[in-house]
Amino acid sequence: DTGVSQNPRHKITKRGQNVTFRCDPISEHNRLYWYRQTLGQGPEFLTYFQNEAQLEKSRLLSDRFSAERPKGSFSTLEIQRTEQGDSAMYLCASGGGPRDTQYFGPGTRLTVL
Amino acid sequence: DQQVKQNSPSLSVQEGRISILNCDYTNSMFDYFLWYKKYPAEGPTFLISISSIKDKNEDGRFTVFLNKSAKHLSLHIVPSQPGDSAVYFCAASQETSGSRLTFGEGTQLTVNP
Repeated sequence: DTGVSQNPRHKITKRGQNVTFRCDPISEHNRLYWYRQTLGQGPEFLTYFQNEAQLEKSRLLSDRFSAERPKGSFSTLEIQRTEQGDSAMYLCASGGGPRDTQYFGPGTRLTVL
Repeated sequence: DQQVKQNSPSLSVQEGRISILNCDYTNSMFDYFLWYKKYPAEGPTFLISISSIKDKNEDGRFTVFLNKSAKHLSLHIVPSQPGDSAVYFCAASQETSGSRLTFGEGTQLTVNP
């Protein structure tokens, strides 16, 4: 079991550019979550998928953000026209069911200059 | 609004003594609570959970206590070890919210040798 993996681990970009992050969940998990964490705060929920269906989105997820999980396996999170306020750690987690433990990946740290 | 609060940003204890981390919540619909630990440059790691039908759950050195009337939970670590030094996050979920986790701000625990 390789756990949840995320790529890239770090991303530095200029304001206005688009970025895409990838998350590979634990293989047998059908639920996949995205969270965002800023300095001094706990992770904040962004969205989650059950298999390929995106079932819930937080109001934090502006229209510049889009997430996909096309085949119910890996997921991508894209941020268009990045802003400095998007700088944060983006965390992915996976779980097997509604009350199953969510296992987190190492995160992608985004810095927008 | 901050529905899960950890009022102590930091806690320092001696090796071998008890560490007590506290968490308060405001949403009475929360019915499942978890503690995660986070080391720098890693994602949160699950420690222990408790359902609202219980008031205590124990796993080795870790015990979580839940006081529903006070909307308060605590994590006890006995005995504390230097390797326990990390940021600890309290999280909560409710059955009707699709299992999204709402996190507190975290408490930095330092265990001194």
